[in-house]
Amino acid sequence: NAGVTQTPKFQVLKTGQSMTLQCAQDMNHNSMYWYRQDPGMGLRLIYYSASEGTTDKGEVPNGYNVSRLNKREFSLRLESAAPSQTSVYFCASSDQRRAGNEQFFGPGTRLTVL
Amino acid sequence: GENVEQHPSTLSVQEGDSAVIKCTYSDSASNYFPWYKQELGKRPQLIIDIRSNVGEKKDQRIAVTLNKTAKHFSLHITETQPEDSAVYFCAASTGGSSASKIIFGSGTRLSIRP
Repeated sequence: NAGVTQTPKFQVLKTGQSMTLQCAQDMNHNSMYWYRQDPGMGLRLIYYSASEGTTDKGEVPNGYNVSRLNKREFSLRLESAAPSQTSVYFCASSDQRRAGNEQFFGPGTRLTVL
Repeated sequence: GENVEQHPSTLSVQEGDSAVIKCTYSDSASNYFPWYKQELGKRPQLIIDIRSNVGEKKDQRIAVTLNKTAKHFSLHITETQPEDSAVYFCAASTGGSSASKIIFGSGTRLSIRP
């Protein structure tokens, strides 16, 4: 099993450009999450999806949209990137029924907005 | 909503000594408290977790204690080793059978001095 995979690993955008971060998991988990990690700020939840077809806002949803495409895939879209969105983005998945609330993280996407 | 505070932000201990990291949470409904370790440039990984019906849990050199009345929980690492150097995050969530927000603390950078 690959676990949680994310693409791309690195991305540089100009202010105002748009892009979609992709995330997929092969563990048959119901729930998926998007976090951003800034230095000294820990992990902040952007959006999460409890199950296929549902999404909910986290702590810092402004400037982002998400799509739970199917059970495996959960994408994060930046419609008009801003320098304040420069961060490392982590996707995670979990399955409360089988593994409690343990979050399995992807390798991260390092995004720079100029 | 839930707020998790973590202290200290940095901690340096002599190899072989113990390290203690403390967290407080605000939502009395929280019942699941995981701890994650993140090595430099890598993804966070779960090292231990505790549920609200338990006061203490141990796994080899790592232990976590929970005081529900005071709404705080702590990570204890004994006989520290160089490979314990990393950033540690506490988190809190309401857990349960459906996905819920997991809110992370801001992290503690632990350094082990040889």
